[in-house]
Amino acid sequence: QKEVEQNSGPLSVPEGAIASLNCTYSDRGSQSFFWYRQYSGKSPELIMFIYSNGDKEDGRFTAQLNKASQYVSLLIRDSQPSDSATYLCAVRQSSGYSTLTFGKGTMLLVSP
Amino acid sequence: DAGITQSPRYKITETGRQVTLMCHQTWSHSYMFWYRQDLGHGLRLIYYSAAADITDKGEVPDGYVVSRSKTENFPLTLESATRSQTSVYFCAPRSEQVPSYEQYFGPGTRLTVT
Repeated sequence: QKEVEQNSGPLSVPEGAIASLNCTYSDRGSQSFFWYRQYSGKSPELIMFIYSNGDKEDGRFTAQLNKASQYVSLLIRDSQPSDSATYLCAVRQSSGYSTLTFGKGTMLLVSP
Repeated sequence: DAGITQSPRYKITETGRQVTLMCHQTWSHSYMFWYRQDLGHGLRLIYYSAAADITDKGEVPDGYVVSRSKTENFPLTLESATRSQTSVYFCAPRSEQVPSYEQYFGPGTRLTVT
């Protein structure tokens, strides 16, 4: 069973701080990695994807990938209360129809 | 997102009844996926489809049936609902745009089996 692991949290940060969310995966052949944000009672929303080692920046969000360590992270700079949500890490499998395997998510709480 | 609709949005049914959850996309994405989301388990794949008339089982297929006669529709049927199938169900079409293969989620159906 290919696994994706995330700390469940909650991760609490003050407004304006950097929030760091982490994810590890077991399928060494995985090629693409995704971060989804899910507000309570809503559907997951794709915010970032990354497929090359290193950093990828999009506004206040930075995704980091280290395939050798099988580790992917999401940094949120200048955190806002509106960033409070559950963040899901997803890994596209290397076999079959390349389905996504999701972690259970990390809850982020940003306090004003 | 108007590209994906799910119906009904909320459903209460009794144990043993058959219920069908509908999913419709306005795009023409070949791949579509059904997930269920439960506290403590996260998102789990039930069934998926690579094209019309091509479907395959995911992680938790027991008790569910799917069909896909048209590219835009991917209904999920619970043949005889059980309380353990109380969950939130998400349909998710996937773009085949390289390299992102972005997967978008519908608004979800909250199903309660009494």
